[in-house]
Amino acid sequence: GAVVSQHPSRVICKSGTSVKIECRSLDFQATTMFWYRQFPKKSLMLMATSNEGSKATYEQGVEKDKFLINHASLTLSTLTVTSAHPEDSSFYICSSSVLRNEQYFGPGTRLTVT
Amino acid sequence: QQPVQSPQAVILREGEDAVINCSSSKALYSVHWYRQKHGEAPVFLMILLKGGEQKGHEKISASFNEKKQQSSLYLTASQLSYSGTYFCGTEDQGGSEKLVFGKGTKLTVNP
Repeated sequence: GAVVSQHPSRVICKSGTSVKIECRSLDFQATTMFWYRQFPKKSLMLMATSNEGSKATYEQGVEKDKFLINHASLTLSTLTVTSAHPEDSSFYICSSSVLRNEQYFGPGTRLTVT
Repeated sequence: QQPVQSPQAVILREGEDAVINCSSSKALYSVHWYRQKHGEAPVFLMILLKGGEQKGHEKISASFNEKKQQSSLYLTASQLSYSGTYFCGTEDQGGSEKLVFGKGTKLTVNP
């Protein structure tokens, strides 16, 4: 299957700071990238959908000013958690897909806000 | 709307079979199946696009009944490596490409 990387894999930050997470599709050009959040032992919750060169589409209840998404190219999307708070601590996972086919997930980023 | 998965959990002995079901109240374009191991990202298993289509991947296969908006994942002669949480993700016919995931089914395969 296709390879999607995420960086960093783990990050610990202080409350009030911002954290950027990168998602790259390494061996294909993704038409769409998705950002998910997952709490322990829970399902994947879609946060936003992003297409290269256009603004991300956020799911209801997700603050777009807090979770900034930039999809700079067909292989790179970034999620910035701004002014992070402890309740933002979670497992963030990106996925990439091509033309409504299967989504390939990155390895995830575990964010801990102290 | 989130699809409903059943059962929530299942425990097997190596070599036994299991069926995991996924049901939606919306008309579906596709159903995707993933397996996630603890602390790792979900791994793609298969995608089903047509009504009544069945796909297979070694000892793991799935069916999709478009009319009933249901999909089932069949695990035969289970192996220890099959342990994990299985999620179905459904895409509705609106063409959004978005997947809505069920709550997952935790499968444990014991020796």
